[in-house]
Amino acid sequence: GESVGLHLPTLSVQEGDNSIINCAYSNSASDYFIWYKQESGKGPQFIIDIRSNMDKRQGQRVTVLLNKTVKHLSLQIAATQPGDSAVYFCAEMYSGGGADGLTFGKGTHLIIQP
Amino acid sequence: ETGVTQTPRHLVMGMTNKKSLKCEQHLGHNAMYWYKQSAKKPLELMFVYSLEERVENNSVPSRFSPECPNSSHLFLHLHTLQPEDSALYLCASSQGSVDLRTDTQYFGPGTRLTVL
Repeated sequence: GESVGLHLPTLSVQEGDNSIINCAYSNSASDYFIWYKQESGKGPQFIIDIRSNMDKRQGQRVTVLLNKTVKHLSLQIAATQPGDSAVYFCAEMYSGGGADGLTFGKGTHLIIQP
Repeated sequence: ETGVTQTPRHLVMGMTNKKSLKCEQHLGHNAMYWYKQSAKKPLELMFVYSLEERVENNSVPSRFSPECPNSSHLFLHLHTLQPEDSALYLCASSQGSVDLRTDTQYFGPGTRLTVL
């Protein structure tokens, strides 16, 4: 099947700095993307999503960018806080799939250093 | 809290045991999911139920048997598991729109399963 992957397994940033987490996808038919945050001992938590007809979407301190040309997705977190420490992973969905169409990446562990 | 609870949180079982994982959602959703999360691997969808009917089954071994008695409860019955089945088993629920693909899924905390 198609793969969704993250470039870096671990990302360490200073508290207060901005962080960027990247995700590559290979299925050009993917039309919906989601970022999840998973803290230790908890299940994944929805952060933000974006549809393929958009290039950018902003939430509270988070921005997702979608570059369909190079099949790249990124999550930007502004002014990182200790509570942002978690594993972040992206998921993609493609047309023609049912719930099975949801494919997850492996995850990037974001570490916020004081 | 996400409104999705799972019990037990931790389970250790032998290969000959029979156990069940339970998931309950308090969100009024109509769709529920079972996922397997292994170390250093992406989340794997196992089963999907919509309005208590199974709509997806991703070639999961028969030693995993799901049950959805109503829209609020989901079970995963386990029997004769293998050590490689050790993982975090996550339950999720979603509203259950016509197009499940775009439903936002809310996850429970998971059950950490260890098979000896």
